[in-house]
Amino acid sequence: ETGVTQSPTHLIKTRGQQVTLRCSSQSGHNTVSWYQQALGQGPQFIFQYYREEENGRGNFPPRFSGLQFPNYSSELNVNALELDDSALYLCASSLDRGLHGYTFGSGTRLTVV
Amino acid sequence: GESVGLHLPTLSVQEGDNSIINCAYSNSASDYFIWYKQESGKGPQFIIDIRSNMDKRQGQRVTVLLNKTVKHLSLQIAATQPGDSAVYFCAEFGVSRQLTFGSGTQLTVLP
Repeated sequence: ETGVTQSPTHLIKTRGQQVTLRCSSQSGHNTVSWYQQALGQGPQFIFQYYREEENGRGNFPPRFSGLQFPNYSSELNVNALELDDSALYLCASSLDRGLHGYTFGSGTRLTVV
Repeated sequence: GESVGLHLPTLSVQEGDNSIINCAYSNSASDYFIWYKQESGKGPQFIIDIRSNMDKRQGQRVTVLLNKTVKHLSLQIAATQPGDSAVYFCAEFGVSRQLTFGSGTQLTVLP
Protein backbone atom coordinates (compact mmCIF):
# COMPACT_ATOMS: atom_id res chain seq x y z
CA GLU A 1 0.00 0.00 0.00
CA THR A 2 1.60 3.26 -1.10
CA GLY A 3 1.23 6.47 0.87
CA VAL A 4 0.58 10.01 -0.33
CA THR A 5 3.25 11.38 -2.62
CA GLN A 6 3.69 15.01 -3.61
CA SER A 7 5.77 16.66 -6.29
CA PRO A 8 7.89 18.62 -6.50
CA THR A 9 9.38 18.71 -3.01
CA HIS A 10 10.73 22.23 -3.39
CA LEU A 11 9.93 25.04 -5.80
CA ILE A 12 10.99 28.65 -6.26
CA LYS A 13 8.77 30.98 -8.27
CA THR A 14 8.65 34.67 -9.02
CA ARG A 15 5.80 36.90 -7.92
CA GLY A 16 3.05 36.97 -10.56
CA GLN A 17 3.87 33.53 -11.94
CA GLN A 18 1.65 30.47 -11.86
CA VAL A 19 2.41 27.13 -10.20
CA THR A 20 0.99 23.61 -10.30
CA LEU A 21 1.56 21.17 -7.46
CA ARG A 22 0.74 17.47 -7.73
CA CYS A 23 -0.45 14.80 -5.34
CA SER A 24 -0.95 11.07 -5.68
CA SER A 25 -3.40 9.78 -3.12
CA GLN A 26 -3.01 6.65 -1.05
CA SER A 27 -4.28 3.51 -2.71
CA GLY A 28 -8.01 3.07 -2.11
CA HIS A 29 -8.64 6.68 -1.13
CA ASN A 30 -11.18 8.74 -3.10
CA THR A 31 -10.81 12.10 -1.34
CA VAL A 32 -7.98 14.61 -1.51
CA SER A 33 -7.60 17.75 0.59
CA TRP A 34 -5.04 20.53 0.21
CA TYR A 35 -3.61 22.60 3.04
CA GLN A 36 -1.31 25.60 3.25
CA GLN A 37 1.08 25.70 6.18
CA ALA A 38 2.94 28.94 6.83
CA LEU A 39 6.09 28.75 8.91
CA GLY A 40 5.33 28.22 12.58
CA GLN A 41 1.60 27.76 12.05
CA GLY A 42 -0.87 24.95 11.70
CA PRO A 43 -2.11 23.81 8.29
CA GLN A 44 -4.97 25.86 6.83
CA PHE A 45 -7.61 24.11 4.73
CA ILE A 46 -7.68 25.22 1.09
CA PHE A 47 -10.18 22.81 -0.49
CA GLN A 48 -11.19 19.20 -0.79
CA TYR A 49 -12.06 17.01 -3.77
CA TYR A 50 -14.26 13.95 -3.54
CA ARG A 51 -14.74 11.77 -6.60
CA GLU A 52 -13.48 14.51 -8.92
CA GLU A 53 -15.71 17.29 -7.57
CA GLU A 54 -14.87 20.11 -5.18
CA ASN A 55 -16.38 19.20 -1.85
CA GLY A 56 -15.56 22.11 0.42
CA ARG A 57 -13.39 25.19 0.32
CA GLY A 58 -11.61 27.24 2.92
CA ASN A 59 -11.00 30.98 2.99
CA PHE A 60 -8.73 31.19 -0.03
CA PRO A 61 -9.17 33.41 -3.13
CA PRO A 62 -10.23 32.01 -6.53
CA ARG A 63 -6.65 32.13 -7.83
CA PHE A 64 -6.25 28.91 -5.82
CA SER A 65 -7.87 26.18 -7.88
CA GLY A 66 -7.65 22.45 -8.17
CA LEU A 67 -8.50 19.28 -9.99
CA GLN A 68 -9.00 15.67 -9.11
CA PHE A 69 -8.50 13.02 -11.75
CA PRO A 70 -10.29 9.68 -12.28
CA ASN A 71 -7.45 7.87 -10.49
CA TYR A 72 -8.04 10.27 -7.55
CA SER A 73 -4.72 12.04 -7.91
CA SER A 74 -4.96 15.81 -7.68
CA GLU A 75 -3.42 19.12 -8.66
CA LEU A 76 -3.33 22.45 -6.89
CA ASN A 77 -2.92 25.49 -9.12
CA VAL A 78 -2.08 28.94 -7.88
CA ASN A 79 -2.19 31.91 -10.25
CA ALA A 80 -0.68 35.37 -9.85
CA LEU A 81 1.65 34.27 -7.08
CA GLU A 82 2.17 36.63 -4.15
CA LEU A 83 5.00 36.68 -1.64
CA ASP A 84 2.58 35.53 1.09
CA ASP A 85 1.93 32.35 -0.87
CA SER A 86 5.31 31.11 0.29
CA ALA A 87 4.49 28.10 2.46
CA LEU A 88 4.47 24.34 2.75
CA TYR A 89 1.58 22.92 0.73
CA LEU A 90 0.26 19.66 2.08
CA CYS A 91 -1.93 17.12 0.40
CA ALA A 92 -3.95 14.65 2.43
CA SER A 93 -5.95 11.73 1.16
CA SER A 94 -8.80 9.90 2.81
CA LEU A 95 -11.70 7.61 2.17
CA ASP A 96 -15.17 9.06 1.88
CA ARG A 97 -14.42 12.69 2.78
CA GLY A 98 -12.33 12.03 5.83
CA LEU A 99 -14.71 10.02 7.94
CA HIS A 100 -11.90 7.57 8.70
CA GLY A 101 -9.01 10.00 9.02
CA TYR A 102 -6.46 11.52 6.67
CA THR A 103 -3.01 10.52 5.48
CA PHE A 104 -0.68 13.40 4.69
CA GLY A 105 2.11 13.69 2.20
CA SER A 106 5.43 15.35 3.03
CA GLY A 107 4.44 18.53 1.22
CA THR A 108 5.81 20.90 -1.38
CA ARG A 109 7.84 23.83 -0.08
CA LEU A 110 6.97 26.83 -2.30
CA THR A 111 9.05 29.97 -2.11
CA VAL A 112 7.86 33.07 -3.96
CA VAL A 113 10.50 35.74 -4.57
CA GLY B 1 -16.52 29.90 12.97
CA GLU B 2 -14.58 26.82 13.86
CA SER B 3 -11.30 27.25 15.67
CA VAL B 4 -8.94 25.06 17.60
CA GLY B 5 -6.36 26.50 19.95
CA LEU B 6 -3.49 25.20 22.04
CA HIS B 7 -2.68 26.37 25.56
CA LEU B 8 1.12 26.31 25.31
CA PRO B 9 3.30 26.92 22.28
CA THR B 10 6.33 25.05 23.71
CA LEU B 11 6.85 22.20 26.14
CA SER B 12 10.14 20.78 27.42
CA VAL B 13 10.26 17.49 29.31
CA GLN B 14 12.98 15.21 30.62
CA GLU B 15 13.49 11.94 28.81
CA GLY B 16 11.46 9.25 30.53
CA ASP B 17 8.90 11.65 31.99
CA ASN B 18 5.31 11.85 30.86
CA SER B 19 4.18 14.68 28.56
CA ILE B 20 0.78 16.31 28.45
CA ILE B 21 -0.23 18.53 25.56
CA ASN B 22 -3.50 20.41 25.79
CA CYS B 23 -5.91 21.74 23.21
CA ALA B 24 -9.13 23.75 23.34
CA TYR B 25 -11.75 23.68 20.63
CA SER B 26 -14.68 25.98 20.09
CA ASN B 27 -17.16 24.05 17.95
CA SER B 28 -19.31 21.88 20.18
CA ALA B 29 -20.73 20.19 17.07
CA SER B 30 -17.37 18.65 16.14
CA ASP B 31 -17.54 14.89 16.30
CA TYR B 32 -14.03 13.70 15.53
CA PHE B 33 -10.64 14.81 16.83
CA ILE B 34 -7.17 13.81 15.73
CA TRP B 35 -3.68 14.37 17.12
CA TYR B 36 -0.86 14.71 14.62
CA LYS B 37 2.91 14.78 15.05
CA GLN B 38 4.95 16.81 12.62
CA GLU B 39 8.71 16.53 12.38
CA SER B 40 10.80 19.10 10.61
CA GLY B 41 10.45 18.88 6.83
CA LYS B 42 7.69 16.28 6.98
CA GLY B 43 3.93 16.21 6.75
CA PRO B 44 1.69 15.61 9.78
CA GLN B 45 1.72 12.02 10.98
CA PHE B 46 -1.37 10.49 12.59
CA ILE B 47 -0.93 9.64 16.28
CA ILE B 48 -4.35 8.90 17.69
CA ASP B 49 -7.95 9.92 17.20
CA ILE B 50 -11.13 10.01 19.23
CA ARG B 51 -14.81 10.30 18.41
CA SER B 52 -17.11 12.60 20.36
CA ASN B 53 -18.98 9.65 21.88
CA MET B 54 -15.83 8.67 23.79
CA ASP B 55 -13.91 10.42 26.55
CA LYS B 56 -10.69 8.41 26.50
CA ARG B 57 -8.74 6.37 24.03
CA GLN B 58 -5.38 4.68 24.45
CA GLY B 59 -2.72 3.72 21.98
CA GLN B 60 0.87 2.63 22.31
CA ARG B 61 2.36 5.05 24.89
CA VAL B 62 -0.27 7.66 24.01
CA THR B 63 -3.64 8.50 25.50
CA VAL B 64 -6.15 11.07 24.32
CA LEU B 65 -8.71 12.53 26.69
CA LEU B 66 -11.77 14.43 25.55
CA ASN B 67 -13.81 16.65 27.85
CA LYS B 68 -16.83 17.83 25.90
CA THR B 69 -18.17 19.87 28.81
CA VAL B 70 -15.29 22.32 28.64
CA LYS B 71 -14.36 21.56 25.01
CA HIS B 72 -10.88 20.38 25.90
CA LEU B 73 -8.64 17.74 24.43
CA SER B 74 -5.33 16.44 25.73
CA LEU B 75 -2.59 14.14 24.52
CA GLN B 76 -0.58 12.22 27.06
CA ILE B 77 2.70 10.62 26.05
CA ALA B 78 4.14 8.11 28.49
CA ALA B 79 7.88 7.72 29.03
CA THR B 80 8.76 10.45 26.54
CA GLN B 81 11.67 9.60 24.26
CA PRO B 82 14.00 11.80 22.17
CA GLY B 83 12.17 10.64 19.04
CA ASP B 84 9.01 12.25 20.41
CA SER B 85 10.50 15.73 19.87
CA ALA B 86 8.30 17.38 17.26
CA VAL B 87 5.39 19.78 16.84
CA TYR B 88 2.07 18.34 17.91
CA PHE B 89 -1.24 19.50 16.48
CA CYS B 90 -4.76 18.73 17.46
CA ALA B 91 -7.28 18.86 14.64
CA GLU B 92 -11.02 19.03 14.72
CA PHE B 93 -13.33 17.47 12.16
CA GLY B 94 -16.63 19.26 12.24
CA VAL B 95 -19.89 19.61 10.40
CA SER B 96 -18.11 21.30 7.51
CA ARG B 97 -16.23 18.00 7.01
CA GLN B 98 -12.82 19.69 6.92
CA LEU B 99 -9.94 19.43 9.35
CA THR B 100 -9.29 22.55 11.41
CA PHE B 101 -5.84 22.63 12.99
CA GLY B 102 -4.51 24.51 15.96
CA SER B 103 -1.20 26.37 15.87
CA GLY B 104 0.78 23.51 17.39
CA THR B 105 2.92 22.78 20.45
CA GLN B 106 6.66 22.26 20.09
CA LEU B 107 7.69 19.35 22.32
CA THR B 108 11.38 19.16 23.22
CA VAL B 109 12.71 16.13 25.05
CA LEU B 110 15.73 16.91 27.21
CA PRO B 111 18.42 14.25 27.85
